[in-house]
Amino acid sequence: GQQVMQIPQYQHVQEGEDFTTYCNSSTTLSNIQWYKQRPGGHPVFLIQLVKSGEVKKQKRLTFQFGEAKKNSSLHITATQTTDVGTYFCAGLRTSGTYKYIFGTGTRLKVLA
Amino acid sequence: DTGVSQDPRHKITKRGQNVTFRCDPISEHNRLYWYRQTLGQGPEFLTYFQNEAQLEKSRLLSDRFSAERPKGSFSTLEIQRTEQGDSAMYLCASSLATGRGPLFYNEQFFGPGTRLTVL
Repeated sequence: GQQVMQIPQYQHVQEGEDFTTYCNSSTTLSNIQWYKQRPGGHPVFLIQLVKSGEVKKQKRLTFQFGEAKKNSSLHITATQTTDVGTYFCAGLRTSGTYKYIFGTGTRLKVLA
Repeated sequence: DTGVSQDPRHKITKRGQNVTFRCDPISEHNRLYWYRQTLGQGPEFLTYFQNEAQLEKSRLLSDRFSAERPKGSFSTLEIQRTEQGDSAMYLCASSLATGRGPLFYNEQFFGPGTRLTVL
């Protein structure tokens, strides 16, 4: 079945350092979403990417969808303590379903 | 609060008992999803509804699990004969899916979840 893997599983950074998480799907995706889940909280939608090679920015966050639409990345510039949480990608297959497959997540800790 | 709500927030039950969870989506959202999340893992798809129709159900879901969304509004998820392996956070999400193809947009709004503990 379809799998969505994320690396790294954990990342500890000093406040002010950059952070990147990578998402890889075993199959081509129709679109990909990114969510953030704070400790003890529920996933909160960040963004959706649809087009091959698409790049979107939200303040210090940069999201990219691969040319083959099988991978994606989230990059945070100059992390802050408010960035702490787990970041999940969620991929939608290209055909016949609206079932999202969530990645394994990257847990980010920011040290002040 | 006009977000997604779930009830109860916590449920402790004994193995073999039946449990039922409720999800109230954001009004006018046409899609409703159920996910299960265990510690350190991403949400795992269980099922989803388009209005009142259940369109897809995970093959991982045994016959002990059933979900309904009567009248396309709130939804219930029932687990019969609970097992210890059912212990998890059960998340509900709703969305207003719009567009097709490259214009398809489906931001999911998650509820706070129901934490189930099976003793």
